[in-house]
Amino acid sequence: QVQLQESGPGLVKPSETLSLTCTMSGDSRRWYYWSWIRQSAGKGLDWIGRIDISGNTNYNTSFKSRVTMSVDTSKKQSSLKLSSVTAADTAVYYCATISTAGNFDYWGHGTLVTVSS
Amino acid sequence: SYVLTQSPSVSVAPGQTARITCGGSNIGGKSVHWYQQKPGQAPLLVVSDDSDRPSGIPERLSGSNSGNTATLTISRVEAGDEADYYCQVWESNSDHYVFGSGTKVTVL
Repeated sequence: QVQLQESGPGLVKPSETLSLTCTMSGDSRRWYYWSWIRQSAGKGLDWIGRIDISGNTNYNTSFKSRVTMSVDTSKKQSSLKLSSVTAADTAVYYCATISTAGNFDYWGHGTLVTVSS
Repeated sequence: SYVLTQSPSVSVAPGQTARITCGGSNIGGKSVHWYQQKPGQAPLLVVSDDSDRPSGIPERLSGSNSGNTATLTISRVEAGDEADYYCQVWESNSDHYVFGSGTKVTVL
């Protein structure tokens, strides 16, 4: 079993950078790929990007110019940075692991980030 | 970019069958995954690779995929099945993960 926990500020000012961390616990053998996904209030799921344990990334082109992901294997953590945020970036942000089948098999509980001055 | 189309809502009486469709160009050639999301909770994987159920998912939930439509079927619907359901694929050309817009299942 894998547990994921997102953490970070719940309030970010417009034009600033959103920074979140996902910490994994449990069966680390499952840890190769993971992703960040967000969901605006009442809306669907948006895939933001993927990172592997070597730090190789693949970002959704919709976010590509603003997103940076990183990984710290010693801490079993992945980080998300989203720059130049606006109110449209207000959402619940989830981290999730990606299985070999290409689905998201373990999810964190999600963390709400509000962009407001 | 690849687009997955879902109907916004489906209503079904308890004990009946709910069918949730996910449309996409030649989706039958891709592996489709389905998630159930209840209010205030993270999505839960309920069907993988078109028709496989992860451990703990009841047999009442089943999936199929052919042509341009994938389908999640919920048999003998219960009140606890009321949730939003999302389909998802990995699009190989772009190496992107794509979600459908979601279908809200209401149990009457």
